[in-house]
Amino acid sequence: GIQVEQSPPDLILQEGANSTLRCNFSDSVNNLQWFHQNPWGQLINLFYIPSGTKQNGRLSATTVATERYSLLYISSSQTTDSGVYFCAVERRGSGYALNFGKGTSLLVTP
Amino acid sequence: DTGVSQNPRHKITKRGQNVTFRCDPISEHNRLYWYRQTLGQGPEFLTYFQNEAQLEKSRLLSDRFSAERPKGSFSTLEIQRTEQGDSAMYLCASPEGSGTEAFFGQGTRLTVV
Repeated sequence: GIQVEQSPPDLILQEGANSTLRCNFSDSVNNLQWFHQNPWGQLINLFYIPSGTKQNGRLSATTVATERYSLLYISSSQTTDSGVYFCAVERRGSGYALNFGKGTSLLVTP
Repeated sequence: DTGVSQNPRHKITKRGQNVTFRCDPISEHNRLYWYRQTLGQGPEFLTYFQNEAQLEKSRLLSDRFSAERPKGSFSTLEIQRTEQGDSAMYLCASPEGSGTEAFFGQGTRLTVV
């Protein structure tokens, strides 16, 4: 199956700092999504981004499909950004499920 | 609210008991996926349906697990003779189709004691 690697596994930031989370994947994909999992376990959709760049407020994401990676940028971090961020991909041609990385656990301190 | 509903939100059961979870996907989406997430890990694929047909099952889905999607609407996931290793969050996802954005329910957190 397709491999999805996220880095860093853990990240501690002071409020106001910027960060970049990375997702590498091992095969061509026709879907890539970034999620934020809240403390209650709900997966919140951040970006649907199989290619290109998108921005939503303080968050932005870029996927370079030809080089098989995606980046999630968090600017001016807030304590409410804390949680686990997952990258998930659907391998091109599979028609099947999303494959998740192990996530990046982010803690933003006041 | 993603439009995907899962019930119950929490379930505590004794080892050996059977449990059943329900997922109501977004009504116009014909695909439905079940995932399992254990502590510290990302969600792992269990099975998926296109309409009422179960098209793929993961190796994680032992013979104690069964899933149905009658009439291509809601889906149920049943675990028979639960074991402590079944303790996990069970998530349901509803994408419109292949390659489209998937939306997840709030999950059912199962604890087997």
